[in-house]
Amino acid sequence: GAGVSQSPSNKVTEKGKDVELRCDPISGHTALYWYRQSLGQGLEFLIYFQGNSAPDKSGLPSDRFSAERTGGSVSTLTIQRTQQEDSAVYLCASSSQGYEQYFGPGTRLTVT
Amino acid sequence: AQSVSQHNHHVILSEAASLELGCNYSYGGTVNLFWYVQYPGQHLQLLLKYFSGDPLVKGIKGFEAEFIKSKFSFNLRKPSVQWSDTAEYFCAVKSLTGGGNKLTFGTGTQLKVEL
Repeated sequence: GAGVSQSPSNKVTEKGKDVELRCDPISGHTALYWYRQSLGQGLEFLIYFQGNSAPDKSGLPSDRFSAERTGGSVSTLTIQRTQQEDSAVYLCASSSQGYEQYFGPGTRLTVT
Repeated sequence: AQSVSQHNHHVILSEAASLELGCNYSYGGTVNLFWYVQYPGQHLQLLLKYFSGDPLVKGIKGFEAEFIKSKFSFNLRKPSVQWSDTAEYFCAVKSLTGGGNKLTFGTGTQLKVEL
């Protein structure tokens, strides 16, 4: 079956611009997660959505980062006023409640 | 705060050698444990998981891991590695007590298997 998909696969943006990253989870998965993979920081949790519950935003590094999940499916991660330190691979994962997470291919963000 | 340690950052082995990658976590409550693998140019894939029961779990491609609660460890093993096992391996922990559903990852171990 189809896995988690993310778009774009690569994004190059200028410092100070806003970017939107998209995630399509596996159909039927109620939970959706965003992580960031960067050199020197490893894999870091950003935000978690579960059904209609309030999201767990505890991993967002600053108020420039936000995410939403529409209709319990697709999610968008928005980074405002991008900085060079935001350069990383942004990973999305989804799961059924209580089960293992399946990861997408990621979006490689480069801020110049 | 919960943390995960992978002590081996880079490992180089010859084909047919045995593999053991260490993973230790700091949290004392009930946890789920995972090993993920990232092959070159590919995305993270689940190798194996421990939720409960038999502490020796078997995953794909001949990998296994043993959960030792008293040592807070979940080491990954394979008796005989192949060139195709060259990849980066990540240990991850999910706390079932107050940690939400997020995974906390180790920093990864880069494994290179030489012919």
